[in-house]
Amino acid sequence: GESVGLHLPTLSVQEGDNSIINCAYSNSASDYFIWYKQESGKGPQFIIDIRSNMDKRQGQRVTVLLNKTVKHLSLQIAATQPGDSAVYFCAESYSTDKLIFGTGTRLQVFP
Amino acid sequence: DTAVSQTPKYLVTQMGNDKSIKCEQNLGHDTMYWYKQDSKKFLKIMFSYNNKELIINETVPNRFSPKSPDKAHLNLHINSLELGDSAVYFCASSQDLVLAGGSLPFFGEGSRLTVL
Repeated sequence: GESVGLHLPTLSVQEGDNSIINCAYSNSASDYFIWYKQESGKGPQFIIDIRSNMDKRQGQRVTVLLNKTVKHLSLQIAATQPGDSAVYFCAESYSTDKLIFGTGTRLQVFP
Repeated sequence: DTAVSQTPKYLVTQMGNDKSIKCEQNLGHDTMYWYKQDSKKFLKIMFSYNNKELIINETVPNRFSPKSPDKAHLNLHINSLELGDSAVYFCASSQDLVLAGGSLPFFGEGSRLTVL
């Protein structure tokens, strides 16, 4: 099945705080996960990825956590900045030839 | 130079018309995609092509016909447009078919189609 969402959840944070964006994926056989960031009027941009043989991966200011037991993925953004305001998507892959995107979460950063 | 460029960026048309969206990538990638993003921001793959060969066709109505004249171009033609076709259409490309850290879809900026 696919992770189909009816509404776009929104997370509002203050500049400088840490943000945590959550995602529930649908297929327990998925073995590769990616976070994308989509700014207004732009296409999605790759942020970070993780394979199913890992449970944590860190990038610059971002960390992805994977909990396969409950099919949950999270993206942590440290010291959130106004430029982080965007819609964030998780995506899963289980056949290596296509991505299934989640619903998306809008991150709003206030000064 | 834009890596994945789509034209037009905006398209407003009447129901029943036929329209095309063009996509070109200058990244030297072998695989290209069309995704549709609806008004709720849900993003779903429509087609993928690898070296001009159709790989994925995600139960898209046959009013939608992708065409890949060469591996740098993937155009989307839509016949008999319907209200429900209103969406943002994203073209993307990746190095090859197998998704991995070095080969993920790189997206264009989208083409917003409005059907009246």
